[in-house]
Amino acid sequence: GAGVSQTPSNKVTEKGKYVELRCDPISGHTALYWYRQSLGQGPEFLIYFQGTGAADDSGLPNDRFFAVRPEGSVSTLKIQRTERGDSAVYLCASSLTGDSGADTQYFGPGTRLTVL
Amino acid sequence: QKEVEQNSGPLSVPEGAIASLNCTYSDRGSQSFFWYRQYSGKSPELIMFIYSNGDKEDGRFTAQLNKASQYVSLLIRDSQPSDSATYLCAVNGDYKLSFGAGTTVTVRA
Repeated sequence: GAGVSQTPSNKVTEKGKYVELRCDPISGHTALYWYRQSLGQGPEFLIYFQGTGAADDSGLPNDRFFAVRPEGSVSTLKIQRTERGDSAVYLCASSLTGDSGADTQYFGPGTRLTVL
Repeated sequence: QKEVEQNSGPLSVPEGAIASLNCTYSDRGSQSFFWYRQYSGKSPELIMFIYSNGDKEDGRFTAQLNKASQYVSLLIRDSQPSDSATYLCAVNGDYKLSFGAGTTVTVRA
């Protein structure tokens, strides 16, 4: 079946601009996660959705970052007033239930964001 | 945030040899442990997960978990050039994963 998809694959923007990154999880997965990966580092957790609600947004670095999942499927990560330090690969993952540590997360191909 | 430590490498092994990767974690309450492989420019791909102390084998891969020592390892037997990648250790105590920085493995033909 189809895996997690993310669009766009690459996004180049100018400092101060607004960007939206989209994630389409595996069909039937209720849990969705956003991570950010900088060069040479492992992914860092940003936010976790259980259904339509953000169950944990403790990883969002500041209030310029916001994410939604209005219908419990597709999610959009929104970054306002982008800064050069926001440049990274943004990874989306989904899992079947998210309600236990044993639930396996499957990653999408990521969106490479470059802020000039 | 759970701290996860890995040797960054690079770890260079000859083709056919065993590659041994190590990972330690700080949160004693962590319940499940994952190894992901990440090729350059690609997203993490799940290789194995382990929940119980001991060994778990899947093909050429063996994961080992020692919760008392807070230690997880991955062995890759009969290493192939296609195994050259960065291997990420991830720890899950509830739902979110905490990753190490990854160990880069290079298999020499």
